[in-house]
Amino acid sequence: ILNVEQSPQSLHVQEGDSTNFTCSFPSSNFYALHWYRWETAKSPEALFVMTLNGDEKKKGRISATLNTKEGYSYLYIKGSQPEDSATYLCAPRGYNFNKFYFGSGTKLNVKP
Amino acid sequence: NAGVTQTPKFQVLKTGQSMTLQCAQDMNHNSMYWYRQDPGMGLRLIYYSASEGTTDKGEVPNGYNVSRLNKREFSLRLESAAPSQTSVYFCASTGTGNQPQHFGDGTRLSIL
Repeated sequence: ILNVEQSPQSLHVQEGDSTNFTCSFPSSNFYALHWYRWETAKSPEALFVMTLNGDEKKKGRISATLNTKEGYSYLYIKGSQPEDSATYLCAPRGYNFNKFYFGSGTKLNVKP
Repeated sequence: NAGVTQTPKFQVLKTGQSMTLQCAQDMNHNSMYWYRQDPGMGLRLIYYSASEGTTDKGEVPNGYNVSRLNKREFSLRLESAAPSQTSVYFCASTGTGNQPQHFGDGTRLSIL
């Protein structure tokens, strides 16, 4: 089992604020890191799949970076909007790349 | 394109009853997964199937069995339900390479 930590557990920001949160994972046996967005009463949806050290991905106002040597990834949201309110999950894949281990997530609440 | 379909969406059981949760995907994915989601704990892997004919335990397999009936279908069975198994269950699938997971809408299961 991979020990995956996400911080903070929850975050409350005002509309227009920029924010970021962290996913930490063991740097050994790293294969890939997935980020998912999970809105209340829906199912998780994939945001990014990242594999290479130094990788940066961007989708609209959301971006992510990856450091495989030290075992962390940052997710950034620029100019948060109420529709960004969701739980953001990260899931690293190790050498047994058929398994995913999810962190407990960061719950973001954006107030209008 | 239906993606991943789970049935039922809701179920209430009495302690000791058995039931099977069904999952089917129409994306020709090799790998399928069952997770449970409990408050504050993110998604925990129960069982997964890397390909048709194979199944493996995840983090929390006790009290569950699975069947990979064919490439499309992966079922989860509770032989003797316990209140500790009250949870929301998600099925997911993924294709070859480093593709993200696709999730079903979840099954909310309550055991009294």
